[in-house]
Amino acid sequence: QSVLTQPPSVSGAPGQRVTISCTGSSSNIGAAYDVHWYQHLPGSAPKLLIYENSKRPSGVPDRFSGSQSGTSGSLAITGLQAEDEAEYYCQSYDRRLSIVFGGGTKLTVL
Amino acid sequence: QLQLQESGPGLVKPSETLSLTCSVSGDFISGSDSYWGWIRQSPGTGLEWIGYIYYSGSTYYNPSLKSRVTIAVDTSKNQFSLSLISVIAADTAVYYCARRSAAVRYFQNWGQGTLVSVSS
Repeated sequence: QSVLTQPPSVSGAPGQRVTISCTGSSSNIGAAYDVHWYQHLPGSAPKLLIYENSKRPSGVPDRFSGSQSGTSGSLAITGLQAEDEAEYYCQSYDRRLSIVFGGGTKLTVL
Repeated sequence: QLQLQESGPGLVKPSETLSLTCSVSGDFISGSDSYWGWIRQSPGTGLEWIGYIYYSGSTYYNPSLKSRVTIAVDTSKNQFSLSLISVIAADTAVYYCARRSAAVRYFQNWGQGTLVSVSS
């Protein structure tokens, strides 16, 4: 059972927009700790996609955006492309548990 | 360009000790204001933070694993290691080493991961 809750899967057609939610609690996201997102392709290292709720590392397309409100964070992907098919994880900090992750969301591009 | 590479046995027997090493290139552990850590992903589950070590030697562990985990640094080899004792089948996972700068709470660099199976 992950501390942060994500939907197991989302899907969308090429060109569409999808969002992935990440729900925490008052001891992590709700305590004003930032949400970060990683993209994980099978067999490769997870890649930092969004940090500190909404910032993109150099090289990440602006099709990827993040937001945070209350005890939740959200990742949005617009203009969906086949190469976006991957597992996406949110991560935050928890007062009691330190680093915590979501259970991951499998994105399928139809 | 910082690179991390995990190494170690791919098979460990139940009740024995899992030992992995992460080799760092492109930066020096001793001179970097960073935390060097381990994260794992068991089959069918999400990522789980195991712990990390500050470049000065201070360690921080996931409370659920704390009694079985030791992370150490070998600055002479520019490596850090993971030791997990009394392993069980549920410790079967892909183990990643990763780095976060001290000023942030996310991981900027990851290794490719190594699969460790616990089985007799």
